[in-house]
Amino acid sequence: GDSVTQMEGPVTLSEEAFLTINCTYTATGYPSLFWYVQYPGEGLQLLLKATKADDKGSNKGFEATYRKETTSFHLEKGSVQVSDSAVYFCALSRNQFYFGTGTSLTVIP
Amino acid sequence: GAGVSQSPRYKVAKRGQDVALRCDPISGHVSLFWYQQALGQGPEFLTYFQNEAQLDKSGLPSDRFFAERPEGSVSTLKIQRTQQEDSAVYLCASSPKRVLIETQYFGPGTRLLVL
Repeated sequence: GDSVTQMEGPVTLSEEAFLTINCTYTATGYPSLFWYVQYPGEGLQLLLKATKADDKGSNKGFEATYRKETTSFHLEKGSVQVSDSAVYFCALSRNQFYFGTGTSLTVIP
Repeated sequence: GAGVSQSPRYKVAKRGQDVALRCDPISGHVSLFWYQQALGQGPEFLTYFQNEAQLDKSGLPSDRFFAERPEGSVSTLKIQRTQQEDSAVYLCASSPKRVLIETQYFGPGTRLLVL
């Protein structure tokens, strides 16, 4: 069945470091791919999405490219800030939504 | 505008009790989803409504779980004879369109603890 596998955390980075959180998926057909973020004490919110192969989603300095050949949708940011500390979830949607287990990111000053 | 709201935010139940969790989606949103999120895990799909029709309930873990959305707006997730393994955060999300590729808007969740 469809599934998402994402990099286990927790991840701790210094401010202004480069971030990559890996996400790979298994699905038949052509799913849409998402990154959701959960800030401390808040609900899940959409960070970015891509609906077809080679699309790049971007928001708040974060980017992810839908790579069908490697079935991946890795999240990247060139320079993280303390305010980016949160849990990040990769997800896919085809006939249902499937979420990864989440990756906790802590950015230290 | 108002986002998705859920109540109660926290619920403690004794094993064997019935509980009802409420979700108020964003006004006008057609689709509504329920998820269960165990500690340290991602949300797992429970069920999906399009307006008042429950189109998919394949994720409900047992027949003790029941969801309804009688008027196509507010939804209630009911858990009968709660068990300790039901302890989790229950998330509701809504979406403005019928198609599943659309962004979902999540509520803050109800944290259920079964003792």
